[in-house]
Amino acid sequence: DAKTTQPNSMESNEEEPVHLPCNHSTISGTDYIHWYRQLPSQGPEYVIHGLTSNVNNRMASLAIAEDRKSSTLILHRATLRDAAVYYCILGSGGSNYKLTFGKGTLLTVNP
Amino acid sequence: DAGVIQSPRHEVTEMGQEVTLRCKPISGHDYLFWYRQTMMRGLELLIYFNNNVPIDDSGMPEDRFSAKMPNASFSTLKIQPSEPRDSAVYFCASSFLPTEAFFGQGTRLTVV
Repeated sequence: DAKTTQPNSMESNEEEPVHLPCNHSTISGTDYIHWYRQLPSQGPEYVIHGLTSNVNNRMASLAIAEDRKSSTLILHRATLRDAAVYYCILGSGGSNYKLTFGKGTLLTVNP
Repeated sequence: DAGVIQSPRHEVTEMGQEVTLRCKPISGHDYLFWYRQTMMRGLELLIYFNNNVPIDDSGMPEDRFSAKMPNASFSTLKIQPSEPRDSAVYFCASSFLPTEAFFGQGTRLTVV
């Protein structure tokens, strides 16, 4: 499976933008980039996904590098409720149904 | 829809006992996944089903673990016999599109 590399932890202040990076230098042409997050004591929650183009939804934006070897999840205005572990995951080859979670980035949001 | 429903939410059992975890996926979803989460190993995919058929069980740790999906609205993960190292949070997830999986609240299993 193609692997991703994320910082172990990041801090942000409330109401400021947060840029969460992810490196995936071995990504294949058919791999989607998925982002999930896990709030304390809850199951993972879908955030956003993309293939080649940048994507926006109500939760976040996903910026994908032109060579697709890295991506950045952008939370435009962090809130205390955004404190969570954020996982960057690649679709497994041709099967995007099989999500392999890494260790993710623990985001702390300071009031 | 109420989302993915798992039961029980908490289970404490003695070593050697059989444990059955249950999952009701979201109606209309044709993929179902079982994950296990521990501090040491993080989130691990155990097995997943498509249209009630097991597709990939390479993550199932041992023969003590088994999973079934008798119909589109129900799945079980069974551990027999249970061991203390099986203590973890077990998540069930379901999916229709290949890009968004919905997770349940998890079952916290403690084997003493």
